Amino acid sequence: SYVLTQPPSVSVAPGQTARITCGGNNIGSKSVHWYQQKPGQAPVLVVYDDDDRPSGIPERISGSNSGNTATLTISRVEVGDEADYYCEIWDNYSDVVVFGGGTKLTVL
Amino acid sequence: EVQLVESGGGLVKPGGSLRLSCAASGFTFNNAWMSWVRQAPGKGLEWVGRLKTYSDGGTADYAAPVKGRFGISRDDSRNMLYLQMNSLKSEDSAVYFCVTDEASSGSFAFDIWGQGTMVTVSS
Repeated sequence: SYVLTQPPSVSVAPGQTARITCGGNNIGSKSVHWYQQKPGQAPVLVVYDDDDRPSGIPERISGSNSGNTATLTISRVEVGDEADYYCEIWDNYSDVVVFGGGTKLTVL
Repeated sequence: EVQLVESGGGLVKPGGSLRLSCAASGFTFNNAWMSWVRQAPGKGLEWVGRLKTYSDGGTADYAAPVKGRFGISRDDSRNMLYLQMNSLKSEDSAVYFCVTDEASSGSFAFDIWGQGTMVTVSS
């Protein structure tokens, strides 16, 4: 089965740029979606189809996808960005949805 | 307002059964592929399964850990989605979210989430 690998944690100072990676075999050929989840809340879609943002998501949040790595980039990080972030794809070979293990973003 | 509201969670013994419900509103439910996603306490997100629209065949697909034990169904006349869970195990304990990719049906970019309902499997 397809596996998505994320670092367990990423730390960044306010105002800096956070990059959260999502590794998978030839993930660049798939559409990657990203979710933000704050404690006690349901996840929120922040990036879909690699690099598109739903309405209401700030331009500071962006995505990219190439080769074996997809990346969620959060520029000018704010304290309010502290959350767990998950990548997700649909594996067309097995027709199942796969989530990465999640990355906890800490704003120092 | 687009909304998904789950209900039916609770405490159940190992080997028991439970049916979760999800009430949808604010969008055209019969055009939506619906999924269930779960999250065990302190753990990550796990996709449980998906049900297509009747116009797309009405078929369901499931994650390996629940295949053969869980069943997803829908009642388009009532805008309701269901998750029938049988032969429950302790590892099924989780918050269960009803989700859909309302903006782009079939894309699996889940833009609508319910608040979740907690299922605890314990003796």
